[in-house]
Amino acid sequence: DAKTTQPTSMDCAEGRAANLPCNHSTISGNEYVYWYRQIHSQGPQYIIHGLKNNETNEMASLIITEDRKSSTLILPHATLRDTAVYYCIVRALKNSGGSNYKLTFGKGTLLTVNP
Amino acid sequence: GAGVSQSPSNKVTEKGKDVELRCDPISGHTALYWYRQRLGQGLEFLIYFQGNSAPDKSGLPSDRFSAERTGESVSTLTIQRTQQEDSAVYLCASSSRRSNYGYTFGSGTRLTVV
Repeated sequence: DAKTTQPTSMDCAEGRAANLPCNHSTISGNEYVYWYRQIHSQGPQYIIHGLKNNETNEMASLIITEDRKSSTLILPHATLRDTAVYYCIVRALKNSGGSNYKLTFGKGTLLTVNP
Repeated sequence: GAGVSQSPSNKVTEKGKDVELRCDPISGHTALYWYRQRLGQGLEFLIYFQGNSAPDKSGLPSDRFSAERTGESVSTLTIQRTQQEDSAVYLCASSSRRSNYGYTFGSGTRLTVV
């Protein structure tokens, strides 16, 4: 799987948009970008994933650059409960036989939302 | 069930004892994963089960660690002759096509070896 680079930590004011960057310059054509987060003392939580088009769900938006070498996770209105470590992961999917492949977690970005 | 269930939530054991950790995946999820997370560290992959295929054991740190899963049901992770460095949170996750390949994690088992 391609490696990712994320800032170690970021701060955001409550109510503001949090924009978390991720570089994945060695991503290959069949690799998706996944985002997870881990709130203190909990298991990681899936947020969103995408291939090349921008994606949005009830939790966040994912913006992937045209060359796919970087992406940004956007939390439109951050709350104190969004304080967590955010992981950006790239992983290929294989469609044959319904296989699922392991996710490799890096160190992520510690996002602290301040009141 | 509604989510991935792990038991026990906390386990304190004496060095040298064996422990068994349990994971109940979401019903119908074909894939099951075990990870370990030491205090203040990232997630470390241990083992992966996919249906009836041979598991990917490449992450198991030593032969004291083993895991089993029967079909697409419960999995158990066993650590024999526990050592203090085994102290960590052990996380289980499951996934399927219906979940867009996203993992659902359990809350983990916090293992403390004293």
